[in-house]
Amino acid sequence: DAGVIQSPRHEVTEMGQEVTLRCKPISGHNSLFWYRQTMMRGLELLIYFNNNVPIDDSGMPEDRFSAKMPNASFSTLKIQPSEPRDSAVYFCASSFGLAGDYEQYFGPGTRLTVT
Amino acid sequence: SQKIEQNSEALNIQEGKTATLTCNYTNYSPAYLQWYRQDPGRGPVFLLLIRENEKEKRKERLKVTFDTTLKQSLFHITASQPADSATYLCALPYGNKLVFGAGTILRVKS
Repeated sequence: DAGVIQSPRHEVTEMGQEVTLRCKPISGHNSLFWYRQTMMRGLELLIYFNNNVPIDDSGMPEDRFSAKMPNASFSTLKIQPSEPRDSAVYFCASSFGLAGDYEQYFGPGTRLTVT
Repeated sequence: SQKIEQNSEALNIQEGKTATLTCNYTNYSPAYLQWYRQDPGRGPVFLLLIRENEKEKRKERLKVTFDTTLKQSLFHITASQPADSATYLCALPYGNKLVFGAGTILRVKS
């Protein structure tokens, strides 16, 4: 298995531009999580899906952030418009279940820089 | 509010020694706790899960303890190696979510 796949690995964009991050979870996993990691705030959960349905988006910082999961093998996280404070590493993770006793498998992350 | 605390300073130890990392929590009553390893430029990797009714769990050179009275988990790496150098994060369940600590940087010197 290739593990969780994320693209792009690096993204540099200018303030005000739209950014779309992509994730392919591990086949057979029914839960998908989007995290953001910064030095100041650590690893923060933004949103998670179960069986392609968004369950909790309370971690999404603003309306500029949106996420979709149109099918079991693909999810996107979109930032529109992007701002310099959105600069961070964004991770996608998947697991067999929602409960916290399932281990999560993380992708390699997308390093986003907004200038 | 819930809080997870891990050693904020890096832990520097000599190769062959046992490394002990601490995870303290407040305002949680977790039924289990997870530990992850993160290398620079990579995503976290799951290491161990320990349940509240398990005092201790081992996996090769790794040992985790979970004291629900002290609200603390200890993560030990015995016979540490330079390849063990990484950031180690503990994670607690909160509802359907996992909440991660800030992590402790471990540096093992040869």
